[in-house]
Amino acid sequence: KQEVTQIPAALSVPEGENLVLNCSFTDSAIYNLQWFRQDPGKGLTSLLLIQSSQREQTSGRLNASLDKSSGRSTLYIAASQPGDSATYLCAFRSARQLTFGSGTQLTVLP
Amino acid sequence: GAVVSQHPSRVICKSGTSVKIECRSLDFQATTMFWYRQFPKQSLMLMATSNEGSKATYEQGVEKDKFLINHASLTLSTLTVTSAHPEDSSFYICSARDFQTGYGYTFGSGTRLTVV
Repeated sequence: KQEVTQIPAALSVPEGENLVLNCSFTDSAIYNLQWFRQDPGKGLTSLLLIQSSQREQTSGRLNASLDKSSGRSTLYIAASQPGDSATYLCAFRSARQLTFGSGTQLTVLP
Repeated sequence: GAVVSQHPSRVICKSGTSVKIECRSLDFQATTMFWYRQFPKQSLMLMATSNEGSKATYEQGVEKDKFLINHASLTLSTLTVTSAHPEDSSFYICSARDFQTGYGYTFGSGTRLTVV
């Protein structure tokens, strides 16, 4: 059974810091990995999608990497802002389905 | 970009009644849609995969007769919670895959169901 783990579960940083969120998975048969943001009581917003053939994707202040050999993905957020406060979820896509990690709740303090 | 619209965003119903949640792909066709359930401070759990024109595929432990799924067109899937009970209170989210954006998943805004 595929397991997706996110560390840390919660993170609080002062505004302006660069930070890294971690996601690990146990199944090497990956199609792609997707990072989402979820605000309280809201749906999911897709941030970055990394195909299995790619090593990283960038969008603005966000950079996501994928290392299939070690079963890890990281989401790097540069120059964090209070508006970045949310829960960040990684999702592993295999041939059958999308499996979510438990999320990292990020709080950026002004 | 791909947009998935989900309605209603919030619903309160009495125990024993049924509630229908709609999920629409607005600018793309989705032969497959997915229904998730999320408990407070927990991640998303896949409930079922909705297939246009055929029966839905339910995950282990999900009651088919309680969570009725209909995918009658390429842009609409519905989830009906039948004979709702307070333990069905949860956050339900649908998603669809948009092949135009590299096979990523697009999610609806979710429905907060409260059964009283």
